Amino acid sequence: GQQLNQSPQSMFIQEGEDVSMNCTSSSIFNTWLWYKQDPGEGPVLLIALYKAGELTSNGRLTAQFGITRKDSFLNISASIPSDVGIYFCAGQSAGGTSYGKLTFGQGTILTVHP
Amino acid sequence: ETGVTQSPTHLIKTRGQQVTLRCSSQSGHNTVSWYQQALGQGPQFIFQYYREEENGRGNFPPRFSGLQFPNYSSELNVNALELDDSALYLCASSSQSGGGNTIYFGEGSWLTVV
Repeated sequence: GQQLNQSPQSMFIQEGEDVSMNCTSSSIFNTWLWYKQDPGEGPVLLIALYKAGELTSNGRLTAQFGITRKDSFLNISASIPSDVGIYFCAGQSAGGTSYGKLTFGQGTILTVHP
Repeated sequence: ETGVTQSPTHLIKTRGQQVTLRCSSQSGHNTVSWYQQALGQGPQFIFQYYREEENGRGNFPPRFSGLQFPNYSSELNVNALELDDSALYLCASSSQSGGGNTIYFGEGSWLTVV
């Protein structure tokens, strides 16, 4: 099925470093969502973006909805060991039949070395 | 805690059998969607239910079917199981109430087909 292009695929960083990951799409989305998934668990919502150009923060996390509505990035500042996991971007189109439909990226595997 | 609960958490089925997975959505959320997540990949949209009817479907064959009940809970049924159906099945709930829409996932049901 269709997927977003998410990069990088994996990152190995030292504790305290900043992290940046992004997603691009050939399609326009009305909503961008960022999730974190730990092994054996469901995705947990980190940040939701609803307007082109919107910049939103949640603690050490900052995400932006691209002006073209075809891209988004997520930054994590001052990483800590519990940031380890898989991060997914997801786009949602407009319309009633799209309320529950997300298109996901392939995920970014983040490893943080203490 | 997302308020979305799924059962069972793990199950093993034999090829050709049928399986039913269950989901209770977050209180007040009237849209339920189902996703399949194969190992190492992002979730793939199967379908969504609103007001007890399917109103959006991804690229999955008819042997994947579902139900939504008046209390918004839902079932995913898969007939004639194939080995490739082995995956984590995620239920997500959202509310078609206008404004910004966020989607919350359950912990998932791990299905192994042998």
